[in-house]
Amino acid sequence: AQKVTQAQTEISVVEKEDVTLDCVYETRDTTYYLFWYKQPPSGELVFLIRRNSFDEQNEISGRYSWNFQKSTSSFNFTITASQVVDSAVYFCALSEPGYSTLTFGKGTMLLVSP
Amino acid sequence: GAVVSQHPSRVICKSGTSVKIECRSLDFQATTMFWYRQFPKQSLMLMATSNEGSKATYEQGVEKDKFLINHASLTLSTLTVTSAHPEDSSFYICSAFDGTSDDNEQFFGPGTRLTVL
Repeated sequence: AQKVTQAQTEISVVEKEDVTLDCVYETRDTTYYLFWYKQPPSGELVFLIRRNSFDEQNEISGRYSWNFQKSTSSFNFTITASQVVDSAVYFCALSEPGYSTLTFGKGTMLLVSP
Repeated sequence: GAVVSQHPSRVICKSGTSVKIECRSLDFQATTMFWYRQFPKQSLMLMATSNEGSKATYEQGVEKDKFLINHASLTLSTLTVTSAHPEDSSFYICSAFDGTSDDNEQFFGPGTRLTVL
């Protein structure tokens, strides 16, 4: 069975601080996909990144970066120089190839104050 | 990315009435659509998976007679909450997936907030 754990329920930072959101996953599959989504107060899920299990390269996109480590089954997400607009709930998710379903973590609420 | 719409975005209804929520893939054909429910401050929980032209597959604990899902075309799936009660109040989100694509990505609708009085 697949499982995604986001141990941090809520994180509060002050603007311009860096923050890392943790994600640990469990799967028996050797091939799988990992995702991060942002859910602002409006509720709409915003896709941030997809990573397949064969690609362990870290990725940077502007102020966002992701660290994928298969050895520790982790896919952590870092926001550099956080901004108030980053305040949202962030979900990590896992899926199998051929795509049956997405397994979501419980989410981490990030509050960035001015 | 591909666009998925949901209608309505918000609905308030009286207890005992039925509510229909539409999910449309606007610029691609969705071989599979998923319906999720999200209670306040909780994660998304998959309710059911529907493939075009066939019956939906419901997750354990989801009443199929209460949550009717129809996926009649490759661009439209509907969720009908029958005889809604206050405990059905939730945020309902659909997603669409193109099984012929190599992207392996679900595209999410903006969600429908249901309030049952």
